[in-house]
Amino acid sequence: GAGVSQTPSNKVTEKGKYVELRCDPISGHTALYWYRQSLGQGPEFLIYFQGTGAADDSGLPNDRFFAVRPEGSVSTLKIQRTERGDSAVYLCASSLRDRDYNEQFFGPGTRLTVL
Amino acid sequence: TQLLEQSPQFLSIQEGENLTVYCNSSSVFSSLQWYRQEPGEGPVLLVTVVTGGEVKKLKRLTFQFGDARKDSSLHITAAQPGDTGLYLCAGPVLKPASGTYKYIFGTGTRLKVLA
Repeated sequence: GAGVSQTPSNKVTEKGKYVELRCDPISGHTALYWYRQSLGQGPEFLIYFQGTGAADDSGLPNDRFFAVRPEGSVSTLKIQRTERGDSAVYLCASSLRDRDYNEQFFGPGTRLTVL
Repeated sequence: TQLLEQSPQFLSIQEGENLTVYCNSSSVFSSLQWYRQEPGEGPVLLVTVVTGGEVKKLKRLTFQFGDARKDSSLHITAAQPGDTGLYLCAGPVLKPASGTYKYIFGTGTRLKVLA
């Protein structure tokens, strides 16, 4: 079956612009996670959805970042007034349900470059 | 704040050598996971360890969870070029208010196996 897909694979934007990053999870997975990964680092947690609601958004760095999952499937991460420091790979992962040892299935990521 | 520290950060070895990478924390985790990530892709789960002292084997890879559940190790026997990648450990952190889990990742060990 299809895995987690993310679009676009690459996004280059200018400082101050608005961007949207899309994640299509595995069908039937109720849990969805967004992470940010800088070069040479491990993924950094941003936000977690259980169904349509954001169960934990404690990792969002500031109010320029926002994510939605209106129908409990596809999710969009939105970044306003982008800054050069936002440049990173944004990873999305989904899992069947929320437990303390779920297998997360990751997408290939969106590489965001802010010029 | 729970943190996972991995060592070494980088490791370059010859094919056929053995190696061990470590994941350490000052906090107790209910479980720990190991992922491998290759360039341009998302992390892929290798194993989950859930019981203190547990040892799991996956072909030439041996994973151990510390007795106190604060650390884990990954040992690779007779490394091959195909083992090259970024090895990440990850652990769940409970958010008591919602009863949900987010995952924190370690800093990663970048392994290169030379033919």
